[in-house]
This record gives sequence, structure tokens and C-alpha cells, in this order.
Amino acid sequence: NAGVTQTPKFQVLKTGQSMTLQCAQDMNHNSMYWYRQDPGMGLRLIYYSASEGTTDKGEVPNGYNVSRLNKREFSLRLESAAPSQTSVYFCASSEGAGRGSRSGELFFGEGSRLTVL
Amino acid sequence: SQQGEEDPQALSIQEGENATMNCSYKTSINNLQWYRQNSGRGLVHLILIRSNEREKHSGRLRVTLDTSKKSSSLLITASRAADTASYFCATPSGNTPLVFGKGTRLSVIA
Repeated sequence: NAGVTQTPKFQVLKTGQSMTLQCAQDMNHNSMYWYRQDPGMGLRLIYYSASEGTTDKGEVPNGYNVSRLNKREFSLRLESAAPSQTSVYFCASSEGAGRGSRSGELFFGEGSRLTVL
Repeated sequence: SQQGEEDPQALSIQEGENATMNCSYKTSINNLQWYRQNSGRGLVHLILIRSNEREKHSGRLRVTLDTSKKSSSLLITASRAADTASYFCATPSGNTPLVFGKGTRLSVIA
């Protein structure tokens, strides 16, 4: 059982380049999330998808777009990367019934380490 | 947005000792969760305690919740070198997803 799979694991971009981080889960979860983790800042929510067909902004959505491709997949796109987007990005999923997941346990991927030069 | 804050930021103990980490939050919650993160890895769920519970155990983990003080503690008993990791508390806020604190970095020295 793979759980939550993120690709790529590492990426180096130049300022202004675009890229998409891919995330897939095989647990039949309804809700999926993208967080970023920076030193001293903990995890901050970028976007989430409470269920297939819906997406919502989190705490730090600027500079990002997301697509809930189907129930399994949730991608994060950087249209024009900036050095401030250098971070470790984590995708997570939960069973979450309805809008958001008020009480569910989150399952995390191993992270994607992005450096923007 | 509501956020848990862990204390201390870093903790260093000898193997076999107990480790205690605290989490404070700001508004009413229906549950509080603790996660662990090994260096370079994703977060792993450890335990969830509901607002109507005061204490919960899982193996060497003991979590308490004091809703009157808006605080929780995570106790790891008889620590091992393998417990070296960062520990995060997380709280839901209404219909929004979990909000994480900045974590406590635990070092267990063999």
C-alpha cells in the first residue's frame, strides 16, 4: 500500500520557470491538501480539496494553482517560480466527509524539495 | 487562524528519560492531534485526543488535554534514540483543515 506519493522528490528551478508537483493517494480519501514547510515556520496550508471537484485557498495560496484531477490526484502548479517559493512541499490526504476535514487523521507524502534560484 | 504552539522549541535528553512537550492553542477545538516527523521525511500521525477526553495512551505515548487551559501535553516515556524527531501538534478550526504548530525538536542521546 503506497499511501501518498509525491513527484518529483527534488527539483531546482530558475526564477520565472513553471512546474507542477504531482500527488496521488491510493486510500480512496475524499480530501487532499498541499502544505509547505520552511525552517522556523512549521507547516502552512497552501490549498486544499475537500472533495473531488472542489478546491479552496489556505493560508498562503499566492503564486500557486491547484487541480483536483480526480479523486486520487491533486497537483500543485507554480506558474512563475520565485526564490520565496524555495521550500519543502508536502501533500496529504484524509477521509474527510463533506467540506474540509474537521477531525480526520492526515496521511502525508514524503515531500518534494524545491529550490528556486 | 487558530494555531497550536509547541513548547519547548528544542529538547535534548538521555536515552531512558521521559520527554514532555506542550502545546497551547487559542480557541475551542473538537480534537487535537500530535504528529511526528523524522529528518527529511513526511509527518506521521501519532495520536488524536477529542475535546471530551482528558488523557489518552498509545504504547509509550501519553497525551493529556486541558480544555480549560487550552493546552495539551505529549509525554514519551523511556525514550530511545529512535524517538529523535520533530513533534507537532495540530488543531482543526471549524471547517478548515488542520493548522500545525512550529514543532518541538527532540534529540535523544544514546
